[in-house]
Order: sequence, then C-alpha cells, then structure tokens
Amino acid sequence: EVQLVESGGVVVQPGGSLRLSCAASGFTFGDYAMHWVRQAPGKGLEWVSLITWGGGSTYYADSVKGRFTISRDNSKNSLYLQMNSLRPEDTALYYCAKDRPNAYDYWGQGTLVTVSS
Amino acid sequence: EIVMTQSPATLSVSPGERATLSCRASQSVSSSLAWYQQKPGQGPRLLIYGASTRATGIPARFSGSGSGTEFTLTISSLQSEDFAFYYCQQYNNWPPYTFGQGTKLEIK
Repeated sequence: EVQLVESGGVVVQPGGSLRLSCAASGFTFGDYAMHWVRQAPGKGLEWVSLITWGGGSTYYADSVKGRFTISRDNSKNSLYLQMNSLRPEDTALYYCAKDRPNAYDYWGQGTLVTVSS
Repeated sequence: EIVMTQSPATLSVSPGERATLSCRASQSVSSSLAWYQQKPGQGPRLLIYGASTRATGIPARFSGSGSGTEFTLTISSLQSEDFAFYYCQQYNNWPPYTFGQGTKLEIK
C-alpha cells in the first residue's frame, strides 16, 4: 500500500524558515518524480514544486521561486521542502504527491504551516 | 500560465441523479487533464487522467470527456460518498501545473 506521510508543519513568524518532510512507502520511491502542492485555508489547490526521480531537475511556482527548495533522499525514501523567508500568504496545508507521471496518483494527508506573528 | 475555470462553483444534486461538472482551459491542453475528488480533512484522490481514463479503483459511475479547452466530469448515479469537492488540473504546459478553483458537489 502506497503511503505518503508529511511532517514538519508548525507556526512560524514572517521571515522565518521551516523544512517539511514527506516519508514515502509502498512503491519504488526513486523511480518517480514527486511534487509539493498546497492549499490555503478554505481555498483550492496550488502546485508548489516538482523534483524529478533522480533529483537532477527541480521546478517551482513563481510565488515560491527563490525562497523554497525541494530535495529528495532516495536512500531514505524521503522528500523535503526547505521554506525560507516565509510570508503570511504561505499559510497552507502542504501535501506531497506522487507523480503518475503528470497526474498525481497518491497524496498524503498534509502538514499545516501557519505563518503569523 | 494556463488558467483553469470550473463551473458551477456549487452543484446541488439529489442522490441517484446524474451530476455534470465542467472545466475550461484558457488555451488548449490537449487531453492532459486530470480530475480529483477531495473530502473534508483528506488529501485529494485522483479520479481521471488523460481526460477520460479512470484511475485505479475508481468506480465506473465516474467518467471524463473532452479535449482541447472543454472538459466534463460526469457522475452517473450519485452515491452519498460522492458529495465532495472536485478539482480539474492541466499538465500539458508546465510549469506551472494549474488547477481549477473547484466545484463543491452538495446534497440537494
């Protein structure tokens, strides 16, 4: 059974930093690209970032480019999102999602990041 | 960036009836279109990819159609567990991948 479990979400002040993690199991993690997608409270889904299977290529939404960094450790079946210079508008539930490819066939339950003073 | 627009924002349908949800792209996305279902407190679930292919384990009452800029998700006979939010997403022209704003399917 495929499982994706996010962690690391907390309350952080504007300008602060945070690293989210996603632990994957039930599939060959290193064979698939992975994404982060976020959902602000009461809002829709927003794609954040993509990393290819080997980690060689990464892509970002304009809203996070230069502030967030996606990475992965295939030996640990783990995906990460380093978030710097956080803003109140980054407040959201952050999901990791497995690339089918392209469509996302498995999602985690999300981890909540709140940026507030 | 391709803008995805879903309609209606809220759809009220009785159990057992048919529901039709629409998604429009600001430019052609070919058949690179997915539909997701999201229930409160849960991560989204993939229903349809390639505009019309059901994902693993998705009941046959869910069907997708369309290509180019106009897409439809049809639920043929609504069950109680189908009342949820639905999102379309294009993956033809990325980054960014873009989602519609969602349709809330509620019980009439």
